[in-house]
This record gives sequence, structure tokens and C-alpha cells, in this order.
Amino acid sequence: EVQLVESGGGLVQPGGSLRLSCAASGFTFSSYDMHWVRQATGKGLEWVSAIGTAGDTYYPGSVKGRFTISRENAKNSLYLQMNSLRAGDTAVYYCARVPGGYCSGGSCSSDYGMDVWGQGTTVTVSS
Amino acid sequence: DIQMTQSPSSLSASVGDRVTITCRASQGIRNDLGWYQQKPGKAPKRLIYAASSLQSGVPSRFSGSGSGTEFTLTISSLQPEDFATYYCLQHNSYPLYTFGQGTKLEIK
Repeated sequence: EVQLVESGGGLVQPGGSLRLSCAASGFTFSSYDMHWVRQATGKGLEWVSAIGTAGDTYYPGSVKGRFTISRENAKNSLYLQMNSLRAGDTAVYYCARVPGGYCSGGSCSSDYGMDVWGQGTTVTVSS
Repeated sequence: DIQMTQSPSSLSASVGDRVTITCRASQGIRNDLGWYQQKPGKAPKRLIYAASSLQSGVPSRFSGSGSGTEFTLTISSLQPEDFATYYCLQHNSYPLYTFGQGTKLEIK
């Protein structure tokens, strides 16, 4: 079964740091781009970061310079290091898989949507 | 940055109704769009990819259409389990993604 399981959320003070983890199973983790998405209570979904199969990383302006995405393919794990946390970073954080370009049965295709999601881990930034 | 404008923000409908949700992109995004369903306390689930392709395992009452800047998600005959919040997601500006604001579908 394809599965993503996030962990590491919790309560942290403003200005503090937290590291989220996402454990992948049931698929070849190293072949997929991976993303983090967050959702504040009662709000919509916000893309937070992405990492490609080659380790290239991307962020929106709202977290650039504060958050760092990384991956450890040998452990089938994705991480999000969050520094200088603010109240506005309070949210449920999801990891999600993106197939990208792939070949199967002699034909190649691409899918850059987020096809599998974890259940989320909650981060609360408060004093 | 590509902006996605989703409408309506909320919608009341009855079981058996046909409903349509729209997403408009601030610039052309080809068919680089997916639709997601989210129920309270759960992760989003993809329903449609590439604007009109049905995700495996998703009921055929869900369909997507559109290309360029205007996209629609249609539920042909609402079932009780369809009451949820729906989001569009563009990935044309990969790897910089943008979600629509969401549409909350409620029981009338």
C-alpha cells in the first residue's frame, strides 16, 4: 500500500524551530518529487515547498529563507526544517507525492499533480 | 505568479443535484490542473488530473473539463458522501503550485 506518514508537529514558541518528517512506503520514493502543503484551521491549502528527485528545492516567498526541505532516499524520508517560526505558520502540514515524468510498459507520460497525500501533522506556533 | 480564482466559495445543494465548480487561471495553464476533495479532518484526495482525467477509483459522477484559463468540476448526481470542500490545483508553473481558494459544498 502506498503510504505517507507525517510526524514531528507540536507546539513551539514564536521564533523557534521544528523539524517535520514524512515516512514513505509502498513505492520507489527516490523516483518521485515530493512537496509540503499546509492548511491553517478553517482556511485553504497553501503550497509550502518542493524537492525534486535530484535534490533541487523550491519555496514560495512566504517561507523562503526560513524553511528548508530535504530528503533521505535511503530512509524513504522527507523532511521540513522550519526556523524563525511565526504565528502565521500555525497549520496542519501535509506531505504529498508528485509522479513527474515516468515510463511504464514501453510508454512514457507525465503527471505533475499531487496524487498521494499523508494524513498531516499539526504545528502550533504560540507563546 | 499564476493566480487561481475558484467559484463559488460555497454552494448548497441536494442529493441528486448536478453541481458545477469553476476555476479560472490568471494566465493560460494548458490542462495542468487537478481537482481535489477534502472532508473535515482528512487529507485532500485527488479526483481529477490533467483537467479531465478521472483518478482511478473515483466514481464516474465526477468529471472535469476545460483548458487554458477556465476549468470546471461537475458532479452529475450528488451523493451524501460528496458533501465536502473542493479545491483546484495548477501545476503549469511547476514546481511552483497554486491552489484555488476552495468551494464548500453543503447539504441544502
